[in-house]
Amino acid sequence: SAVISQKPSRDICQRGTSLTIQCQVDSQVTMMFWYRQQPGQSLTLIATANQGSEATYESGFVIDKFPISRPNLTFSTLTVSNMSPEDSSIYLCSVQTGYLKGALYEQYFGPGTRLTVT
Amino acid sequence: TQLLEQSPQFLSIQEGENLTVYCNSSSVFSSLQWYRQEPGEGPVLLVTVVTGGEVKKLKRLTFQFGDARKDSSLHITAAQPGDTGLYLCAGPQIQGAQKLVFGQGTRLTINP
Repeated sequence: SAVISQKPSRDICQRGTSLTIQCQVDSQVTMMFWYRQQPGQSLTLIATANQGSEATYESGFVIDKFPISRPNLTFSTLTVSNMSPEDSSIYLCSVQTGYLKGALYEQYFGPGTRLTVT
Repeated sequence: TQLLEQSPQFLSIQEGENLTVYCNSSSVFSSLQWYRQEPGEGPVLLVTVVTGGEVKKLKRLTFQFGDARKDSSLHITAAQPGDTGLYLCAGPQIQGAQKLVFGQGTRLTINP
């Protein structure tokens, strides 16, 4: 298992500013992901945070808007840049650890960062 | 990218009733997972089903993977207020991949 903490837990930001969200894991993990969850909606994958190289972004998400750092195997940051009200969402850090036989890696989520842009 | 559709999207029932939530796709999944998310928290993994026709039980929750591995269901017996939350099914975007695709979620409310 993995215990994940995120900072801040919530923030209210003004349009045009940037916010950096931190994700800390209690053990070394290979795969770290950032998700967005808009109010009342499901989860959408933003990017995979790669240690030692640039993040891999999903369609519709770009590095200039959501720069990601992954300096080591236990820590990552996601920055939401030049924010607009449409960026108001919950941002979730997620990690995969171990391997479930024949199927899928076990995946764990942080508590999320609730961002409101005014 | 494979898609997962959940139904119903919203469900509000009385304590003690039974309910079933469905997760369907036109694509075959090597496995499916079910998560529950409570307000202010991230999703928590409940179960992973990997074999067509598989049934797994977690107390009052029963999870089933369709024979063709295109669908899954979650059945809750004698629902309790503590079951309230957002239930999400998820599966690998492509077979063998580590990235998940999520269904839209079912927001379940159990009224005392």
